[in-house]
Amino acid sequence: EAGVAQSPRYKIIEKRQSVAFWCNPISGHATLYWYQQILGQGPKLLIQFQNNGVVDDSQLPKDRFSAERLKGVDSTLKIQPAKLEDSAVYLCASSWTTIAGVGPDTQYFGPGTRLTVL
Amino acid sequence: SQQGEEDPQALSIQEGENATMNCSYKTSINNLQWYRQNSGRGLVHLILIRSNEREKHSGRLRVTLDTSKKSSSLLITASRAADTASYFCAFTQGGKLIFGQGTELSVKP
Repeated sequence: EAGVAQSPRYKIIEKRQSVAFWCNPISGHATLYWYQQILGQGPKLLIQFQNNGVVDDSQLPKDRFSAERLKGVDSTLKIQPAKLEDSAVYLCASSWTTIAGVGPDTQYFGPGTRLTVL
Repeated sequence: SQQGEEDPQALSIQEGENATMNCSYKTSINNLQWYRQNSGRGLVHLILIRSNEREKHSGRLRVTLDTSKKSSSLLITASRAADTASYFCAFTQGGKLIFGQGTELSVKP
């Protein structure tokens, strides 16, 4: 099966500019995740969708970050305006479902978008 | 939320040797997973061990889980240069996956 697709793979912008990332999950996967991975650290969940509804966005800096998953398939993550500390790899992942009380099923990750904010 | 603690942070071994990485956590978990990340690529799921399991094998991978000590270990036997990557443990907390800081493994031919 095709994996999780992300674009672009690399993006360089100046602070205060806007940027958007796109993700297409594995076909049939109901749950989609966006993670931020700062260099030298593990991924940190930003937002989780179940179909087209938000399950968890507690760690999303909502003053500058936004995400949507229209039609419950692909998703976009936007940063506006970007700050220097937003430099990171943004990973998208998908899974069949999230089991209530147990947690997410095995997640499949895309290659990520490496963002550099100058 | 709390990240898992992994050690060592970096490990360098020769091809053919075994590599052991450890992960500790602070809360009750339903399962613990291990992921691999090659340079410049996304994470790949390696293995999942449930809280009622103590040991699990997959090819050259052996994972143990000690819920009383809140720790897990990943053993890679007969390592290969292609095993060079960062390895992350991850556990569910509050319905979401929490990743550790990772262990950077370098296998020299």
